Amino acid sequence: DSGVTQTPKHLITATGQRVTLRCSPRSGDLSVYWYQQSLDQGLQFLIQYYNGEERAKGNILERFSAQQFPDLHSELNLSSLELGDSALYFCASSGVGVTEAFFGQGTRLTVV
Amino acid sequence: GIQVEQSPPDLILQEGANSTLRCNFSDSVNNLQWFHQNPWGQLINLFYIPSGTKQNGRLSATTVATERYSLLYISSSQTTDSGVYFCAVGRAAGNKLTFGGGTRVLVKP
Repeated sequence: DSGVTQTPKHLITATGQRVTLRCSPRSGDLSVYWYQQSLDQGLQFLIQYYNGEERAKGNILERFSAQQFPDLHSELNLSSLELGDSALYFCASSGVGVTEAFFGQGTRLTVV
Repeated sequence: GIQVEQSPPDLILQEGANSTLRCNFSDSVNNLQWFHQNPWGQLINLFYIPSGTKQNGRLSATTVATERYSLLYISSSQTTDSGVYFCAVGRAAGNKLTFGGGTRVLVKP
């Protein structure tokens, strides 16, 4: 168990819908990262938050957004979903001054 | 951005065999991690190894930072070692990870 908790584990939804993925980082970790794993793009960085503030942005679509709350949990919002958004979405966390990242179990999103 | 290449892309092993997986990266890094993605999709941390050598049971890893590569050794492979092995690197503390394409390992009984 990495200590990073993601919910839900599986999500099936229709095109055009909006979903929210949730992540609770390891206790004490201030950084939260979101990654997307799809068959054709591999594992790609989406966005990072540090102590509530956006720190870095990767290949995140405008239809996607994220936030980190005062209790440090994070949510990734995906809207106007398309078939191509079907993927495994991972959350990771790391501590202050620590570079090693730990990953949650992922949320498998299927858009039908 | 930094490029990460893993080889070989696929590896089929007989149970009990040894193997070496390689990760090349294009620039200096502060973080290098090896992960095992099991058949259920979980990413399991194997090693945090920006430089030097570490061992954990039948697995060991070596990173030669000056030459920009890392090696993961699997000895006496078991069927439970099957899955995809990823190398990921980061440029600085608290930075995102850039993943390689992975090595898919199948260990046959």
